Amino acid sequence: QQQVKQSPQSLIVQKGGISIINCAYENTAFDYFPWYQQFPGKGPALLIAIRPDVSEKKEGRFTISFNKSAKQFSLHIMDSQPGDSATYFCAAYTGGFKTIFGAGTRLFVKA
Amino acid sequence: GAVVSQHPSWVICKSGTSVKIECRSLDFQATTMFWYRQFPKQSLMLMATSNEGSKATYEQGVEKDKFLINHASLTLSTLTVTSAHPEDSSFYICSATTGSNEKLFFGSGTQLSVL
Repeated sequence: QQQVKQSPQSLIVQKGGISIINCAYENTAFDYFPWYQQFPGKGPALLIAIRPDVSEKKEGRFTISFNKSAKQFSLHIMDSQPGDSATYFCAAYTGGFKTIFGAGTRLFVKA
Repeated sequence: GAVVSQHPSWVICKSGTSVKIECRSLDFQATTMFWYRQFPKQSLMLMATSNEGSKATYEQGVEKDKFLINHASLTLSTLTVTSAHPEDSSFYICSATTGSNEKLFFGSGTQLSVL
């Protein structure tokens, strides 16, 4: 119940295309859903986050879509660039508990 | 803002020696710091949670006597890998939070190689 399931495990997208990463959760107590971006050999960095009372949040080329009834959320990267090539982790958090991370998606954007 | 500095970035040590990794919050006071371990192509595995002035809380299966965590101030936490062995080789990452634990600010990680 504390798991966050993330897919796909890896993703190859052409430059300019849309990258889509999906996550699903079970615990309805989660109230904060961040996405982290990690480059090789570096620590993750917070990319964008959403709360369950919002269905969509957009920051630049990055958009989170949130479906509360389905307990699913996804990251969309518009106009994907080679510099976006990294590992992306979805996560879920609720007060008093630790952040639960998805397994990660390795994105490669072909030039 | 919310910068977390982690040192060293990489360390190579001989089996049986101890290694200390530092994690500092540079521009904020970190009430809580977390230590993670990450294997290649895998997710982050939480090792322990530390609060300033308190004993760290270790996750199940993590040996507290092998991975010593000290959080002596609101800006500094250290992880000491004692009597390191090759199986301890991994990428270790710290993170810190500012009051609410929902937003995690990560250090750049430390690659530990034990020969």
